Amino acid sequence: EVQLVESGGDLVQPGGSLRLSCAASGFTFSTYSMNWVRQAPGKGLEWVSYISSSSSTIYYADSVEGRFIISRDNAENSLFLQMSSLRAEDTAVYYCARGGTTVTTPSRQDVWGKGTTVTVSS
Amino acid sequence: AIRMTQSPSSFSASTGDRVTITCRASQGISSYLAWYQQKPGKAPKLLIYAASTLQSGVPSRFSGSGSGTDFTLTISCLQSEDFATYYCQQYYSYPLTFGGGTKVEVK
Repeated sequence: EVQLVESGGDLVQPGGSLRLSCAASGFTFSTYSMNWVRQAPGKGLEWVSYISSSSSTIYYADSVEGRFIISRDNAENSLFLQMSSLRAEDTAVYYCARGGTTVTTPSRQDVWGKGTTVTVSS
Repeated sequence: AIRMTQSPSSFSASTGDRVTITCRASQGISSYLAWYQQKPGKAPKLLIYAASTLQSGVPSRFSGSGSGTDFTLTISCLQSEDFATYYCQQYYSYPLTFGGGTKVEVK
């Protein structure tokens, strides 16, 4: 079964840091690009970051550029999001979502994890 | 960034109704458009990609159309399990962007 399982969400103070993880199974992780998408309480979906299958191409939303770092470990079938200088507006459920197998064009996200909750509050 | 505008933001419908949701992109995105369904407390689920291609396992009552800047999602005969929020997303260029969502509620 194709599956993504996020972990690492927590309550953190403003200005703090947190590392999210996403464990992939049931597919050849190393051939797929991956994304992080978040959803603030009661709000819509917001794409956060993209990483290509080989980590050679990375993109961020303007709202997190310079504060978040996406990475992956293909040997461990894992995706990560290192979050720093956290703000109240980063409070959200964070989903990891599978992209496509091509590097040159963006792709829809066809597999999603259940999400992990990040709360930024003092 | 490409702005995606959905309409309506919410509406009420009955089981058996034909439902149409529209999505407009602020610039042409060819057919790089996906539709997702999300139920409360659950992750989004991909319904349609490439504007009109049904994702595997999605019922055929769902259909998508459009290209360029104007797109529609149609549910031909609304079922009880279809009451949810629907999002369009462009994947023509980064940053990927979603519409604001359309909540389909029980009349």
